[in-house]
Amino acid sequence: GESVGLHLPTLSVQEGDNSIINCAYSNSASDYFIWYKQESGKGPQFIIDIRSNMDKRQGQRVTVLLNKTVKHLSLQIAATQPGDSAVYFCAENKGKLSFGAGTTVTVRA
Amino acid sequence: SQTIHQWPATLVQPVGSPLSLECTVEGTSNPNLYWYRQAAGRGLQLLFYSVGIGQISSEVPQNLSASRPQDRQFILSSKKLLLSDSGFYLCAWSTSTGGQPQHFGDGTRLSIL
Repeated sequence: GESVGLHLPTLSVQEGDNSIINCAYSNSASDYFIWYKQESGKGPQFIIDIRSNMDKRQGQRVTVLLNKTVKHLSLQIAATQPGDSAVYFCAENKGKLSFGAGTTVTVRA
Repeated sequence: SQTIHQWPATLVQPVGSPLSLECTVEGTSNPNLYWYRQAAGRGLQLLFYSVGIGQISSEVPQNLSASRPQDRQFILSSKKLLLSDSGFYLCAWSTSTGGQPQHFGDGTRLSIL
């Protein structure tokens, strides 16, 4: 069936380095994608979104890349900080969100 | 600005007891409202969504129900809780148009004993 998933459950990154979190989706008709950050004990927080008519979108220290050919989505975090430690989810939005299991990012000092 | 409130933040209930979790949204009108459950280390499972007062769609058969008595109020209920109802429950809202992000509350941690 159609699904959204993340490649790796965990990612350890040195403070100051760039982080790349990947996500694969299987529904080629999906036209909107979102990245969320979830800190322990809190709800998911919206980071950035991208529509299928774009292949790149930048925010503050974050960039989302969309490759529709291989149905791949990535989130890049520049100069990773300790406060970036969290679980990151990609989600496909077609009126209702479909989430992957998430990638836990740990930032090493 | 829009805000979403969920309460309580944590709840411990015995098996067989009733449940009522409340979610309210401020700063927007006619939002789409959602209830999710998140198991430990897992993604979010959509339980219910609502596009208007009194309109509830259920995504999975379960021991829970939802109601929307007012435009910006969404309630998750159960008559008799099961052990399997334990989890982290999240409420979210989005604008009524599609292709917009959902915004989440900080959830309720429900433990069934």
